[in-house]
Parts: sequence; C-alpha cells; structure tokens
Amino acid sequence: EAGVAQSPRYKIIEKRQSVAFWCNPISGHATLYWYQQILGQGPKLLIQFQNNGVVDDSQLPKDRFSAERLKGVDSTLKIQPAKLEDSAVYLCASSYRPGTSPTDTQYFGPGTRLTVL
Amino acid sequence: AQSVTQLGSHVSVSEGALVLLRCNYSSSVPPYLFWYVQYPNQGLQLLLKYTSAATLVKGINGFEAEFKKSETSFHLTKPSAHMSDAAEYFCAVSVPTGANSKLTFGKGITLSVRP
Repeated sequence: EAGVAQSPRYKIIEKRQSVAFWCNPISGHATLYWYQQILGQGPKLLIQFQNNGVVDDSQLPKDRFSAERLKGVDSTLKIQPAKLEDSAVYLCASSYRPGTSPTDTQYFGPGTRLTVL
Repeated sequence: AQSVTQLGSHVSVSEGALVLLRCNYSSSVPPYLFWYVQYPNQGLQLLLKYTSAATLVKGINGFEAEFKKSETSFHLTKPSAHMSDAAEYFCAVSVPTGANSKLTFGKGITLSVRP
C-alpha cells in the first residue's frame, strides 16, 4: 500500500514570496490533515478535511494560509505572502474513517521542509 | 483543553540498556494516547496507541507503554535499546470535541543510543 505522498520535499523562498505544497493521501482515506512542525516542537494541526469539506481550521492563519482538497483526494496548502516564522516542516497526514474518531490512526507523509529567508 | 508534557528534550542510553521516555497528559475527559516515532527526514510513524481496551499496550519494534490514570502518565519503554531506535519520539493525546476530535502532540524527545 502506497503511503502519503508530499511534494516538494524541500523549498527555499524569500519572505513575501508565495509557496504551495501538495499532498496525496493514502487511497480510500477520507480525512486529511495538514500540520506545521517548527524545529524543536511537536506538530501543530493547521487544518483538517473530511472528504472535501473543512472540519477544523481554527489554527490556520487565514490571512496568509489557504488550503483546499478538490474531489476529496489530493490537497494543496498555500502560503502567501510567506514570513520568516513560517520556516518549518509541513506534514500531511490521512486517516481512513470518514467520521472523526479519537482512536483513528493518522498516517503521515515525509513532509516538506520550508525555509523562508 | 487537552495537553501533553514530555519532560526533557534529549535522552541518551547505551545499546542494550532500558529505554524510558516519559509522557504526562492533561485531559478533562478520558483520553486516547499515542506514541509516534520520527526518523530523520521522515514523517511520523505510529508506535502504539491506548484506546481503553487494555492499560498495557504493546507496539512495534519491542516498545510498550502503560496507561496510569492515577498518575496521568503514558510512559514508553523498551527493555533493550538498539542503535536503530535513535530517533525523535512524540507522545500525543486525542479527545472527542463535539463531532470532531483533535490530536495534540508533545514537544518530542530525541533518543540517542550509544554503542
């Protein structure tokens, strides 16, 4: 079974530029998550999709971050304009069940490491 | 709101020694608890999870963890460390919040294994 795919793996941009990350979840997984992991910290949830609807985006800085999940499969996360403090690893994860359950296992992709100069 | 505390940021053990990584949680409702491992330049991989079926949970690679409600703890152990266990370990808590649930991670602990 293929895992969660993410691209690019690394990205370096200057502040005020825009950037986009792509995620392809495990086939058949209904729920998709984007996390931000700053160096030395645990992952922090940015946004959660159930199929192609947003379940939780309370931690997403909506003035600069946006995300979409078209047709309930692939997802993109965009930052525009980027700030220095956005330097982090952006992790995508997916889980199987269409309804949210606190016992669901989330499967993580390798992440995209963003450096903002 | 739920939270997880992982004391210390780095643990170093000798190969063959006991591994003990501590995790304490805070939750106003019965929690579900997870341990994930992250190897360099990789995503997180589930080691084990507590879902209230049994307090002693066995996971992959010889790891296990025990849920202790009285101590609000879910410490991760392995009897004998291997060099390949060197990685970062995250404890996480999940609780239902209305129709949703959210996974909240600790800051992580880096495990080093000395030859």
